[in-house]
Amino acid sequence: ETGVTQTPRHLVMGMTNKKSLKCEQHLGHNAMYWYKQSAKKPLELMFVYSLEERVENNSVPSRFSPECPNSSHLFLHLHTLQPEDSALYLCASSQEELAGNNEQFFGPGTRLTVL
Amino acid sequence: LAKTTQPISMDSYEGQEVNITCSHNNIATNDYITWYQQFPSQGPRFIIQGYKTKVTNEVASLFIPADRKSSTLSLPRVSLSDTAVYYCLVGTSSNTGKLIFGQGTTLQVKP
Repeated sequence: ETGVTQTPRHLVMGMTNKKSLKCEQHLGHNAMYWYKQSAKKPLELMFVYSLEERVENNSVPSRFSPECPNSSHLFLHLHTLQPEDSALYLCASSQEELAGNNEQFFGPGTRLTVL
Repeated sequence: LAKTTQPISMDSYEGQEVNITCSHNNIATNDYITWYQQFPSQGPRFIIQGYKTKVTNEVASLFIPADRKSSTLSLPRVSLSDTAVYYCLVGTSSNTGKLIFGQGTTLQVKP
């Protein structure tokens, strides 16, 4: 247990569906992140939130919409996804905004399959 | 950003010491070196972090030469459960959103 939980663990959705991924951290951290990991590819940083404000958006398509209502919760809203969006979506948190000497704590991920 | 280069894969046997070397020729003065471990279908887990010389914790040791252009993660007496992907990351405390995960090294420990 890393102190970061994600739900659901598995999700199958059609291209016209709308769904949301949820992440919660119990560590009192100020920064939260969404990563995408496709098969046989490195982790890709998608979004960074610091103190509930988005500070990084790595050219992610608008069909992915993040939301950070407070420093403990992070959502990723999904709509009209494509099959190539199928991947493992990982949430992470750290004490401060992403920094080289800050340890990131990752959740178990949500395995998303888009049909 | 300092790019990192690691071997794509390594094999070892139980009980052996494993050393994974990472090259980061363009490392900046303020950059730290961090290693993560990832098991299939799980999030990465922090292993160790260092700035220079040697760092040791209960899991691994990290050796960093004086020029800091490379680093070596040392796993003593590996077991089957150490089979995973190991990532070397280089980042600076003054950089935002810029930690980049490369391909990592897939370590396969055999009985």
